[in-house]
Amino acid sequence: DSGVTQTPKHLITATGQRVTLRCSPRSGDLSVYWYQQSLDQGLQFLIQYYNGEERAKGNILERFSAQQFPDLHSELNLSSLELGDSALYFCASSPGTVNSPLHFGNGTRLTVT
Amino acid sequence: QKEVEQDPGPLSVPEGAIVSLNCTYSNSAFQYFMWYRQYSRKGPELLMYTYSSGNKEDGRFTAQVDKSSKYISLFIRDSQPSDSATYLCAMSVSNQGGKLIFGQGTELSVKP
Repeated sequence: DSGVTQTPKHLITATGQRVTLRCSPRSGDLSVYWYQQSLDQGLQFLIQYYNGEERAKGNILERFSAQQFPDLHSELNLSSLELGDSALYFCASSPGTVNSPLHFGNGTRLTVT
Repeated sequence: QKEVEQDPGPLSVPEGAIVSLNCTYSNSAFQYFMWYRQYSRKGPELLMYTYSSGNKEDGRFTAQVDKSSKYISLFIRDSQPSDSATYLCAMSVSNQGGKLIFGQGTELSVKP
């Protein structure tokens, strides 16, 4: 068990809808990362937060947004969902120092119908 | 061209075999190199972590980094059916806050 908790495990929704994915980092970790994993693209970096502030941004769509709260949990909001957004969404956490590895949760499987 | 290239396999070997998994990369600024193992329906699990060039051994696993060739490897000795999983290489640059760039992953199957 990595110590990173993601909810829900599965989510099925329709096109055009909005969903929120939640992540609780490992105890003591200040940095949270969101990744999207699809069969054809592999693991793609979306966004990173450190102690409540956005630190780095990847290929995150404008329809997607995230935030990290004072208690350090993070939420990823996906809106105007399309079929192509169906994927596994992983959260990872680290202490936030430059050489600290990431530890991943078990992901949320999103299916858009 | 992707920053990190990894043969997706699948790779099938008999139990007890030595497995070699590899990644190449194009960004010479990568300094931190990791291997993750991902079982079906689970998140990636950190296996090995190395900084710059050289070798690192942990039990049956050995990670090698050759920065001059932009090539990293993971060797698994005495492979077991429980090693059957997808193996992902990942890399980062020191000034990018720990963001990891992943390879596509290699699917490994170890047959009893």
